[in-house]
Amino acid sequence: KAGVTQTPRYLIKTRGQQVTLSCSPISGHRSVSWYQQTPGQGLQFLFEYFSETQRNKGNFPGRFSGRQFSNSRSEMNVSTLELGDSALYLCASSSRGAIYEQYFGPGTRLTVT
Amino acid sequence: GENVEQHPSTLSVQEGDSAVIKCTYSDSASNYFPWYKQELGKRPQLIIDIRSNVGEKKDQRIAVTLNKTAKHFSLHITETQPEDSAVYFCAASITTGNQFYFGTGTSLTVIP
Repeated sequence: KAGVTQTPRYLIKTRGQQVTLSCSPISGHRSVSWYQQTPGQGLQFLFEYFSETQRNKGNFPGRFSGRQFSNSRSEMNVSTLELGDSALYLCASSSRGAIYEQYFGPGTRLTVT
Repeated sequence: GENVEQHPSTLSVQEGDSAVIKCTYSDSASNYFPWYKQELGKRPQLIIDIRSNVGEKKDQRIAVTLNKTAKHFSLHITETQPEDSAVYFCAASITTGNQFYFGTGTSLTVIP
């Protein structure tokens, strides 16, 4: 099976712009979670989608949003970018309704200048 | 919400020695505890996990133990090798809550 894929792998944006990141889960996986990884904060949960519905959301401002499509692919959007949004954004997929094993994608490295 | 603490933040061991990383969690409802290994520039990889109905699980040189009463779990790596050098993350999850809470990571260096 192909693994979780994320596009693009690298992005450079300017403060105030918006960005959209994409995640394609492992075939057959219906749950997609998004995380922000920074050196100081580790892995911070953003949100989780299952069958096109957001089931859980972390403690991030409303500038961070996401969605999931009927083929389980998910997108994450960040509006009005701030310097502090520079991070590695990881998505992870899981096959089950109640999440057990999660498999991560390679991440999108976002740099905000 | 759940709070996961991980110690130590850095760990250096000689090749062939054992390494132990410890995590504590706060929510007694947590029932799934995975460990991830992240090599530099790569994605986190699931290396072992344990569910709350099990006290110990082993996979070759890696083992995880869980003490539900004390709310802590540990990763044990025996006969360490240089390729074990990476950052290791623990996590806790209430599986029906569909959210993982991660520890802050342990940077393990195995010295040849």
